[in-house]
Amino acid sequence: KQEVTQIPAALSVPEGENLVLNCSFTDSAIYNLQWFRQDPGKGLTSLLLIQSSQREQTSGRLNASLDKSSGRSTLYIAASQPGDSATYLCAVKDGAQGKLIFGQGTELSVKP
Amino acid sequence: DTGVSQDPRHKITKRGQNVTFRCDPISEHNRLYWYRQTLGQGPEFLTYFQNEAQLEKSRLLSDRFSAERPKGSFSTLEIQRTEQGDSAMYLCASSLDTHGYTFGSGTRLTVV
Repeated sequence: KQEVTQIPAALSVPEGENLVLNCSFTDSAIYNLQWFRQDPGKGLTSLLLIQSSQREQTSGRLNASLDKSSGRSTLYIAASQPGDSATYLCAVKDGAQGKLIFGQGTELSVKP
Repeated sequence: DTGVSQDPRHKITKRGQNVTFRCDPISEHNRLYWYRQTLGQGPEFLTYFQNEAQLEKSRLLSDRFSAERPKGSFSTLEIQRTEQGDSAMYLCASSLDTHGYTFGSGTRLTVV
């Protein structure tokens, strides 16, 4: 059974700092991995989607990497801003027909 | 098309009452998913449709829960005889085949 773990559960950093959020999964046979952002009481916003054949994806200040063999993904946020404060969720998809399986999220707070 | 729409945004109901939520996916997306999220946790899969066919149901979806997607368009999720443990955010997502998911803003249910 696929399990997804995100570390740390919460993170507080000063504005301008670069940071890394971690995601690990137990079964390396994934179809893709997606990072989401969730603001309090809101739905999920997709940030980056990495197919199983890819190693990384970049969008603006965000960079996500994928190492299937070790069951890990990282989300790198450069030059953090207070507006980046949110919960970041990692999810893996088991097979083309499969559902997304989520981690518990990392709650990020960026202090001005 | 403005994305995935969910209605209502908030619902407060008394224990034992029935509630129904609606999800309108992105029009060209053939897959539709329902997830449930409790406070501090990642979303948990409930069920998904490909067009009008319900292809998978989680064990979380007890007999009190039913979902439909008539004509492969919008979907409804009904909870009968609500219990306090049903209080959660109910999230809908859609995708085109095996591409990334787009989530709606969710329906927050409070059972009192």
